[in-house]
Amino acid sequence: GNSVTQMEGPVTLSEEAFLTINCTYTATGYPSLFWYVQYPGEGLQLLLKATKADDKGSNKGFEATYRKETTSFHLEKGSVQVSDSAVYFCALSDPGANSKLTFGKGITLSVRP
Amino acid sequence: GAVVSQHPSWVICKSGTSVKIECRSLDFQATTMFWYRQFPKQSLMLMATSNEGSKATYEQGVEKDKFLINHASLTLSTLTVTSAHPEDSSFYICSATRAGLAETQYFGPGTRLLVL
Repeated sequence: GNSVTQMEGPVTLSEEAFLTINCTYTATGYPSLFWYVQYPGEGLQLLLKATKADDKGSNKGFEATYRKETTSFHLEKGSVQVSDSAVYFCALSDPGANSKLTFGKGITLSVRP
Repeated sequence: GAVVSQHPSWVICKSGTSVKIECRSLDFQATTMFWYRQFPKQSLMLMATSNEGSKATYEQGVEKDKFLINHASLTLSTLTVTSAHPEDSSFYICSATRAGLAETQYFGPGTRLLVL
């Protein structure tokens, strides 16, 4: 079956530090890959996505590249802000299964001033 | 655009009672709606998928008689937790997809249920 593995958290960084959150996946077929963010007290929001190999998704300074050879979709940001503090979920969508999403466990990012 | 709301945002109930949670797509017609459950510090677990006018498809291990899902219109789905028990306490989240953008799910803010 499909699965998504995220690095263990939580992660605490100082403002303007570089961020990498690792995500690897196992899937049959050709899934689309997503990063969702959940700010405190709010629902999940789509941060970025990539639908095929070598695609790069980007939004709000965050980037992730769909790497088929390493089955990875690591999230990066060059300079984090306090407002980036949230829980980040990596997910994949199986186009052959009604676009059901399989989520990783999520990782909490705290950015201190 | 693509806003999904849930009501109530939190609910406390006594053991043995039933609780209904509503999920609405406010500015689009939702071809499919999903219901998830999120335990503290854990990921989202898909409970069921529902399409308007048809029966929901439940994931393995989810009791369909306990978690009743009704998708009566293209903008409304409801989840009823019947005869709730303390172990049903959790954060319930819905999401919806719109026609032509089936891969992107728009999430509601969630409903926190506490069963005493």
